[in-house]
Amino acid sequence: GESVGLHLPTLSVQEGDNSIINCAYSNSASDYFIWYKQESGKGPQFIIDIRSNMDKRQGQRVTVLLNKTVKHLSLQIAATQPGDSAVYFCAENLDFGNEKLTFGTGTRLTIIP
Amino acid sequence: DAGITQSPRHKVTETGTPVTLRCHQTENHRYMYWYRQDPGHGLRLIHYSYGVKDTDKGEVSDGYSVSRSKTEDFLLTLESATSSQTSVYFCANSPGLAGGRNEQFFGPGTRLTVL
Repeated sequence: GESVGLHLPTLSVQEGDNSIINCAYSNSASDYFIWYKQESGKGPQFIIDIRSNMDKRQGQRVTVLLNKTVKHLSLQIAATQPGDSAVYFCAENLDFGNEKLTFGTGTRLTIIP
Repeated sequence: DAGITQSPRHKVTETGTPVTLRCHQTENHRYMYWYRQDPGHGLRLIHYSYGVKDTDKGEVSDGYSVSRSKTEDFLLTLESATSSQTSVYFCANSPGLAGGRNEQFFGPGTRLTVL
């Protein structure tokens, strides 16, 4: 599949453990954030989103935390599975009415069986 | 998936030749986007469209043009391809503020190599 990055931060996690992927976003005025997952050879897929008026949002096995004070976003994946191996991107939206997203460079997550 | 197809999926071309990549959607979403993905840069927006014949530049638009004559099709053209345009290109669409989410849906990508 396509190589999505040779210089990505990487994270290796034992299967069944929890993983935390971090993202520092660039614009303090951004008010909407999305986490995407990209598997090898595929386009990015939506995982979870959060508005800036929230600190935490939970989905199925995933939790996103937002710290606006330090412009930091994290994605927590519980009980990781082999299918979680992928590159994870955060994206920020300067204005919720603006349809453009700015993407981070990504983190490669590898699940060790 | 997002009902997005991209063609071709792979292309090798020579420097100086024109190249057109096609993105086709089946959902009639208003917004469509072209991104390029390169090592160390993540996804960078080339151009986007907010309706038929309505387009605007992204952060890396130099050397690229786009056209959207129908809701379902968004074309990306490299007028004269250069080696720096070797990349993986992704098309995306979005319905806009549907259900309070500003989500973009991505196609499978086109790998373009310029020799």
